[in-house]
Amino acid sequence: EVQLLESGGGLVQPGGSLRLSCAASGFTFSSYVMNWVRQAPGKGLEWVSTISGSGGDTYYAGSVKGRFTIFRDNSKNTLYLQINSLRAEDTAVYYCAKAWGSGNYWGQGTLVTVSS
Amino acid sequence: DIQMTQSPASLSASVGDRVTITCRASQGISNYLAWFQQKPGKAPKSLIYAANSLQDGVPLRFRASGSGTDFTLTITSLQPEDFATYYCQQYKNYPHTFGQGTKLEI
Repeated sequence: EVQLLESGGGLVQPGGSLRLSCAASGFTFSSYVMNWVRQAPGKGLEWVSTISGSGGDTYYAGSVKGRFTIFRDNSKNTLYLQINSLRAEDTAVYYCAKAWGSGNYWGQGTLVTVSS
Repeated sequence: DIQMTQSPASLSASVGDRVTITCRASQGISNYLAWFQQKPGKAPKSLIYAANSLQDGVPLRFRASGSGTDFTLTITSLQPEDFATYYCQQYKNYPHTFGQGTKLEI
């Protein structure tokens, strides 16, 4: 059974940093592209970032490029999102999601709140 | 960036009804189109990938079609558990944009 468990969210001041984690199980993690998607309170879904199975290719939304870094540790079956220079508009639930297409699966999300 | 436009934004229906949600891409995306269902307080769930392929375990009352720029999701014979918000998403080009969502209400 596929499982994705996000962690690392919390309350952080503007300008601060957090590292989100997504622990994966139930599939061959290194074989799959992984994604981060976020959802601000009461709003729709926003794609944030994607990383290839090897970790060698990464892609970012314009709104986070230069501030967020996606990476993975295939030996630990874990996906990460390093988020820096946080802004109020980054407040959202952050979801990790297994590759688009057949077998796509989402974690339950972790809430990041940016506030002073 | 490719813009994804869903319509309607909200929809009222009854159990047993047939409903259709449309999604239009601002440029051609072939069949790189997914549909997701989200219930309040829950993570999105994938229903459809490649424009018309049902994910394992998704009931056959969910049907999807389209290619290029115009896509539809049809739910035949609505069930109580189908009342939720539905999103389309293109994954042809980065950024992988979502539609704004369609809230399906009783």
